[in-house]
Amino acid sequence: QSVLTQPPSASGTPGQGVTISCSGSSSNIGNKYVYWYQHLPGTAPKLLIYRNNQRPSGVPDRFSGSKFGTSASLAISGLRSEDEGDYYCAAWDVSLTGVLFGGGTKLTVL
Amino acid sequence: QVQLVQSGPEVKMPGASVKVSCTASGYRFSDYGISWVRQAPGQGLEWLGWISTYNGNTHYARKFQGRVALTAYPSTSTAYMELRSLRSDDTAAYFCARHCTGGDCASAWFDPWGQGTLVTVSS
Repeated sequence: QSVLTQPPSASGTPGQGVTISCSGSSSNIGNKYVYWYQHLPGTAPKLLIYRNNQRPSGVPDRFSGSKFGTSASLAISGLRSEDEGDYYCAAWDVSLTGVLFGGGTKLTVL
Repeated sequence: QVQLVQSGPEVKMPGASVKVSCTASGYRFSDYGISWVRQAPGQGLEWLGWISTYNGNTHYARKFQGRVALTAYPSTSTAYMELRSLRSDDTAAYFCARHCTGGDCASAWFDPWGQGTLVTVSS
């Protein structure tokens, strides 16, 4: 059972926007940076957002991250079929002294 | 380019051990740590621990302490993950990932990831 809570699924049609939430606590999201990973079928996970809202080079600006208190969100605008896959939030937990991942959200582009 | 290449799939009996390698290229190996993450079939991502490739210090997730051992060899830019006393629920894809950017290992920054190694535990 993940300590970071994500909705199990999300969906949208091409061109639409979607937001994925990630809820934690003061020992993780409330005190540390949030990271988001994209895991497409048959590939390795890829860093999508770091330090709450920063995009690595090469990640389209259709992807954006935000954090407020003990929750974070990943927003994807202009959905494309190639965005279909699993999305995970992650953060260091100061109580567990380890990395926590959310349970993952399966994004379907209808 | 920065790349991590892992060893091939493994099939093990319950109770056995498995050792997975992860060879880095495209950057100075000892400048970053290496973490290991696994994904069981139909499940999410789970962090096992990290190793400092600079001095060999390790930090394991509580769930895996005593059963996992991480090592790293700067001379060959290779890190290893050994998991002992395998059970059927250890069947998973195991990923290595570069960790500890800017010396900050108390973070969930992983970039890039290896391609994954499927470990199957079955009698």
